[in-house]
Amino acid sequence: KQEVTQIPAALSVPEGENLVLNCSFTDSAIYNLQWFRQDPGKGLTSLLLIQSSQREQTSGRLNASLDKSSGRSTLYIAASQPGDSATYLCAVVTGNQFYFGTGTSLTVIP
Amino acid sequence: ETGVTQSPTHLIKTRGQQVTLRCSSQSGHNTVSWYQQALGQGPQFIFQYYREEENGRGNFPPRFSGLQFPNYSSELNVNALELDDSALYLCASSPPGTELDTQYFGPGTRLTVL
Repeated sequence: KQEVTQIPAALSVPEGENLVLNCSFTDSAIYNLQWFRQDPGKGLTSLLLIQSSQREQTSGRLNASLDKSSGRSTLYIAASQPGDSATYLCAVVTGNQFYFGTGTSLTVIP
Repeated sequence: ETGVTQSPTHLIKTRGQQVTLRCSSQSGHNTVSWYQQALGQGPQFIFQYYREEENGRGNFPPRFSGLQFPNYSSELNVNALELDDSALYLCASSPPGTELDTQYFGPGTRLTVL
């Protein structure tokens, strides 16, 4: 059974810092990996999608990498802003199911 | 183009009752997935419906059931509610052929079981 772990569970940084969120998964037979953002009490918004054959994806200040063989992904956020405060979830698709991690709660302090 | 909508927003039930949650998928999307998200946890996959048929199921008991209608809207039914069923229930819809890549999530229904 696929298990997804995210470290750290919570992170608080001052505005302007660069930061890295980590995601690990136990079964390397994934179809893809995605990073989502969730604001309090809201649904999920997809940030980046990395297919299993890809190594990284970039969107604006966000960069996600994937190392399938080691079962790891990182989300890099450059020049963090208070508006980046949210919970960040990674999810992998194995078989035909999405498996989510428990998330990293990010607070960016002005 | 409207996004994924869910109703109701919040719901309070007591143990043993039954509940129905509703989801309207985004226009043109024929796949709907349902997730349960307990407080402080990531979403857990309940099941997926594709063109009115169940197309995959997570590790949830049979008292969790669903329907998808010809207009691709969907219902999640939970019988014999338990305290542990308290959670945010999310549905997500996908355009044809992208259900493993692209999911558009609704805002969720917050269910509290007393």
